[in-house]
Amino acid sequence: GEDVEQSLFLSVREGDSSVINCTYTDSSSTYLYWYKQEPGAGLQLLTYIFSNMDMKQDQRLTVLLNKKDKHLSLRIADTQTGDSAIYFCAERPNDYKLSFGAGTTVTVRA
Amino acid sequence: NAGVTQTPKFRVLKTGQSMTLLCAQDMNHEYMYWYRQDPGMGLRLIHYSVGEGTTAKGEVPDGYNVSRLKKQNFLLGLESAAPSQTSVYFCASRGRDAYNSPLHFGNGTRLTVT
Repeated sequence: GEDVEQSLFLSVREGDSSVINCTYTDSSSTYLYWYKQEPGAGLQLLTYIFSNMDMKQDQRLTVLLNKKDKHLSLRIADTQTGDSAIYFCAERPNDYKLSFGAGTTVTVRA
Repeated sequence: NAGVTQTPKFRVLKTGQSMTLLCAQDMNHEYMYWYRQDPGMGLRLIHYSVGEGTTAKGEVPDGYNVSRLKKQNFLLGLESAAPSQTSVYFCASRGRDAYNSPLHFGNGTRLTVT
């Protein structure tokens, strides 16, 4: 979706941290989401953050939200080969619709 | 749990042919969606439905029609397929509360139009 932008590729060494960045446009979005897509499968919700939060941590995942700059990031600590996937950022501009970014393909190398 | 089931998984069509993609969910979800996924463009919303008997246009509705005659099913139709409709199509559903009910996706239908 044109309203959500993210870089297309990220390569990271196994054991390092991955950081995936996203910018969105709709300041009224109350929730922002990260989805993960593994090969041949649909998207699965990884985590989400409410717009009045700056940070959310969930095990190896840390989400940072800068509402002023409309910037969202996902940090994956101790990246593993199983983390290789496409990661989508999404915003919810209204009650029934999600707008997705183009997806960041994360490749974990040994 | 079946979740969201899409059929078929793969299909090849000739230009001008028609077909219907089927989506079924067993979670009693109100909202259902059809997205297409193209390289470098992410997911784009084709049509969606907020309840049985209702449908609405998304970002890229041209060339597609939908129907939601039963709450559990959401059908996507291509009346006259074009090569530009070559894509991977995903159906998704969720309950009424977006906070507690994230989108559940099917595994996709890969369509090639020659």
